[in-house]
Amino acid sequence: KNQVEQSPQSLIILEGKNCTLQCNYTVSPFSNLRWYKQDTGRGPVSLTIMTFSENTKSNGRYTATLDADTKQSSLHITASQLSDSASYICVVSANTGFQKLVFGTGTRLLVSP
Amino acid sequence: EPEVTQTPSHQVTQMGQEVILRCVPISNHLYFYWYRQILGQKVEFLVSFYNNEISEKSEIFDDQFSVERPDGSNFTLKIRSTKLEDSAMYFCASRGGGTLNEQFFGPGTRLTVL
Repeated sequence: KNQVEQSPQSLIILEGKNCTLQCNYTVSPFSNLRWYKQDTGRGPVSLTIMTFSENTKSNGRYTATLDADTKQSSLHITASQLSDSASYICVVSANTGFQKLVFGTGTRLLVSP
Repeated sequence: EPEVTQTPSHQVTQMGQEVILRCVPISNHLYFYWYRQILGQKVEFLVSFYNNEISEKSEIFDDQFSVERPDGSNFTLKIRSTKLEDSAMYFCASRGGGTLNEQFFGPGTRLTVL
């Protein structure tokens, strides 16, 4: 069964600190892996997209890594800001041709002043 | 910047009633999706739509659900006879062609079934 697991479930950090969120997946056939940011009550917004052959991708203060052999990914947030408080969702796209997305349960991040 | 829009933002309905959730995808996009998110749970795929027909659907998308693109701009999700467990946030998404093209999500419609 296609699944995406994330840890931790929630995280509180001080403003300015770094953090790393983890994702493990069992989605086959694999097409690509995405990290989304979802503010409460809003739709998810894409941060990064990585294919099988990519190990790392950055978007500003966000850096995602992918190990396709172990089926693990991480999202590193540098110098956190209050506006980073949100849920971060790891999403894997199955290679079905129509880009079916399998969502993780998300990590709820709270950046405290 | 173009964006996906959804109406209404919140819909309250009685159990057994029909509801239609509306979405206006980004204008040059070709692929359309509906997802739902029950409060406190993960986002779940419902259906994808391409070339005026359903391309893929999940087991959640049973005979109570239907989708339609009635004109060149709107994309709708109809639930024929709502159940309490249909209460959720429903997100519409759209994307252009190409496997890596990003899906852009709308702000969602919160459906409450009483």
